[in-house]
Amino acid sequence: GQNIDQPTEMTATEGAIVQINCTYQTSGFNGLFWYQQHAGEAPTFLSYNVLDGLEEKGRFSSFLSRSKGYSYLLLKELQMKDSASYLCAVEDGNYQLIWGAGTKLIIKP
Amino acid sequence: EAGVAQSPRYKIIEKRQSVAFWCNPISGHATLYWYQQILGQGPKLLIQFQNNGVVDDSQLPKDRFSAERLKGVDSTLKIQPAKLEDSAVYLCASSFGQGYNEQFFGPGTRLTVL
Repeated sequence: GQNIDQPTEMTATEGAIVQINCTYQTSGFNGLFWYQQHAGEAPTFLSYNVLDGLEEKGRFSSFLSRSKGYSYLLLKELQMKDSASYLCAVEDGNYQLIWGAGTKLIIKP
Repeated sequence: EAGVAQSPRYKIIEKRQSVAFWCNPISGHATLYWYQQILGQGPKLLIQFQNNGVVDDSQLPKDRFSAERLKGVDSTLKIQPAKLEDSAVYLCASSFGQGYNEQFFGPGTRLTVL
């Protein structure tokens, strides 16, 4: 079967760095998305990785290793507004999006 | 650019009643998705349309759920009859196409079935 694993919840301190991991087992792979979802709101796009390596976008970076079925989202200089759920989603071989359950990130002052 | 529109935003119904949700995707987006998201879980794809046609409805409970996308633009999702376990947020998303296409989500409809 197809599976996406992420930690359920993480806690970090304002100003610090946090890494949210995602491991996947899917039938084929065409790309990996990270979305941010604030409580009571819809998901919004953060990043897309199709090749191995690190993609940096401001305070957020996303890493992919296709051979290991592994990705992480790195958030730097954490702000209180970064408190949200972070969803990992993988495009399988049929371009269908398989979603993880999300990681709830709690930022403490 | 206008985003994905959904209505209503909130709906409370009794079990066994019917309910319908409406979605208007971003102009020019050929692909439209309906998701069900239960609190604390990731979105679960119910149905995916490519223009007028259905691409994937493998997780749609077809005995009670139906969806249509007339003229390849607006879409409606219906539940009849509703069950308690249908309480969730129903998200509509659209993308330009399939594959490497960011999905843009609407605000969602929060459904409570009593």
